[in-house]
Amino acid sequence: NAGVTQTPKFQVLKTGQSMTLQCAQDMNHNSMYWYRQDPGMGLRLIYYSASEGTTDKGEVPNGYNVSRLNKREFSLRLESAAPSQTSVYFCASSERWRSSYNEQFFGPGTRLTVL
Amino acid sequence: KQEVTQIPAALSVPEGENLVLNCSFTDSAIYNLQWFRQDPGKGLTSLLLIQSSQREQTSGRLNASLDKSSGRSTLYIAASQPGDSATYLCAVWGDTGRRALTFGSGTRLQVQP
Repeated sequence: NAGVTQTPKFQVLKTGQSMTLQCAQDMNHNSMYWYRQDPGMGLRLIYYSASEGTTDKGEVPNGYNVSRLNKREFSLRLESAAPSQTSVYFCASSERWRSSYNEQFFGPGTRLTVL
Repeated sequence: KQEVTQIPAALSVPEGENLVLNCSFTDSAIYNLQWFRQDPGKGLTSLLLIQSSQREQTSGRLNASLDKSSGRSTLYIAASQPGDSATYLCAVWGDTGRRALTFGSGTRLQVQP
């Protein structure tokens, strides 16, 4: 099992460009998440999908959109990139959303720089 | 709003020492608490998950405890090794309000050979 995979690993964008970060998991998990990690701010939740067909905003959703394409895949789109979106983006998944046993598993991350 | 604090922010110890990392959280209404390890430039690796009804979990040289009523967790690492050098993050899954993981800022551990 590959676990949680993310593409691309690195990306440089110019302000105003758009891009989609891809995430896939092969653990048959129901719930998936997108986080960003910034120095001094820790990890913050952008969007999550509790189950296939549903998505909801997290702590910092502005400037992002998501699509839960199927049970395996959850993508994050930046429509018009801004320098403030320079960050490391992590995708994660868990078996269930609302459970005391919902261990989250993380992907390797995408390092995004917006110039 | 849930807040998670980790102390110390950084720690340097000689190889072989036993050590304790601390995590505190402000809202005791949690589903669980999870400890992660993050190596530089890498993703997060789950180490231990403690459900809200549990007091501790063990995996190899790692032991994590949870005192929900006081809002505290500790991660105990026995006989530390240079390979343990990494940043350790704790995160709590809230039972009220926004149901998602809230992370601490981490403890950066350096184990000297």
